[in-house]
Amino acid sequence: KQEVTQIPAALSVPEGENLVLNCSFTDSAIYNLQWFRQDPGKGLTSLLLIQSSQREQTSGRLNASLDKSSGRSTLYIAASQPGDSATYLCATNPGGSGNTGKLIFGQGTTLQVKP
Amino acid sequence: NAGVTQTPKFRILKIGQSMTLQCTQDMNHNYMYWYRQDPGMGLKLIYYSVGAGITDKGEVPNGYNVSRSTTEDFPLRLELAAPSQTSVYFCASSYKGRNLSNQPQHFGDGTRLSIL
Repeated sequence: KQEVTQIPAALSVPEGENLVLNCSFTDSAIYNLQWFRQDPGKGLTSLLLIQSSQREQTSGRLNASLDKSSGRSTLYIAASQPGDSATYLCATNPGGSGNTGKLIFGQGTTLQVKP
Repeated sequence: NAGVTQTPKFRILKIGQSMTLQCTQDMNHNYMYWYRQDPGMGLKLIYYSVGAGITDKGEVPNGYNVSRSTTEDFPLRLELAAPSQTSVYFCASSYKGRNLSNQPQHFGDGTRLSIL
């Protein structure tokens, strides 16, 4: 059974710092991996989706990498800003018969960027 | 654009009561999902649907039912509310065409449900 783990659970950094959020998963047979952002009291917003055949995806100051062989993904945030403060969740779409898009989520990393 | 709309936003139920959480999307997505999120935890899949008339169980389906009579709507029903069902419920949708890769899931803002 696929398990997704995110460490650390919480992270506090000063504004302007570059940072890396980690995600690990136990089964390398995945269709894709997604990173989401969740603001307090809100739903999830998709940040990046990496297909199984890809190694990384970039969007603005965000870069996500995928290493299936080691069961790891990282989300790199460049030049962090207070507006980046949120909870970041990663989720895998596990492989198997029929790609139904089901997601297995990690517990999330809550990021605080201090001015 | 409305995207994924969930109603109600908040609800308090008594043990044993029933209710339906509504979810509708206006993006013509074929896939829809219901998740629950407990405090400090990630999301767990309750039920999902790959098209109108087709539904299937996720990780934690016990105590819930769903139906998908139209592409737009995917209601979640709690028949006999229990304290363990106190949670935040999220509905999501995505599009996947034949032989195409998955597209990102779009989420509603959630329904915060307390069972007392």
